[in-house]
Amino acid sequence: DADVTQTPRNRITKTGKRIMLECSQTKGHDRMYWYRQDPGLGLRLIYYSFDVKDINKGEISDGYSVSRQAQAKFSLSLESAIPNQTALYFCATSDSLAAETQYFGPGTRLLVL
Amino acid sequence: SQKIEQNSEALNIQEGKTATLTCNYTNYSPAYLQWYRQDPGRGPVFLLLIRENEKEKRKERLKVTFDTTLKQSLFHITASQPADSATYLCALGAGTASKLTFGTGTRLQVTL
Repeated sequence: DADVTQTPRNRITKTGKRIMLECSQTKGHDRMYWYRQDPGLGLRLIYYSFDVKDINKGEISDGYSVSRQAQAKFSLSLESAIPNQTALYFCATSDSLAAETQYFGPGTRLLVL
Repeated sequence: SQKIEQNSEALNIQEGKTATLTCNYTNYSPAYLQWYRQDPGRGPVFLLLIRENEKEKRKERLKVTFDTTLKQSLFHITASQPADSATYLCALGAGTASKLTFGTGTRLQVTL
């Protein structure tokens, strides 16, 4: 969905490096989410934010941190990347008035060597 | 713990037939269930939502059923086309302020 953009789309990094993945949206939604997707494990929630001042841990937040810089921007950081953080990362948004439906970005493919 | 099961094996069907995908769950009392489509290298796209008090929902060639007694949802694509080939994810939510829990998805391949 072009309304939700993620940068970079692909990234290769080394163990121990700090890396930031960025998400921007033009949908005007107040809720934003970060997921990772691994083969056989499906989508797992890392962090979510219901508004700029509300950030919550998801199912697998260890090793990650987030920043909600504005309603439209939600960044995910890997403080010290490790190989098992190699995955496909998705940002998603939803509207609190129709919160059930989520709109996903195109994903960032991350490889940690 | 909560568990959502979708058939991990790919479903191969012939064009024009009806594809039926299954989503089973345990240790969960969802208020609603959603189905998403995911193409390779792309993010999931929302298709349909069905609430716990609804038995069936339709949208064009798509039909979803939801049986809270069996803890199962069936997703049907009628008159399937090669363009329907993708991975289909089910997701459960417990309320408007809740997070979604996703299944691992089932890959559908529609052949001519």
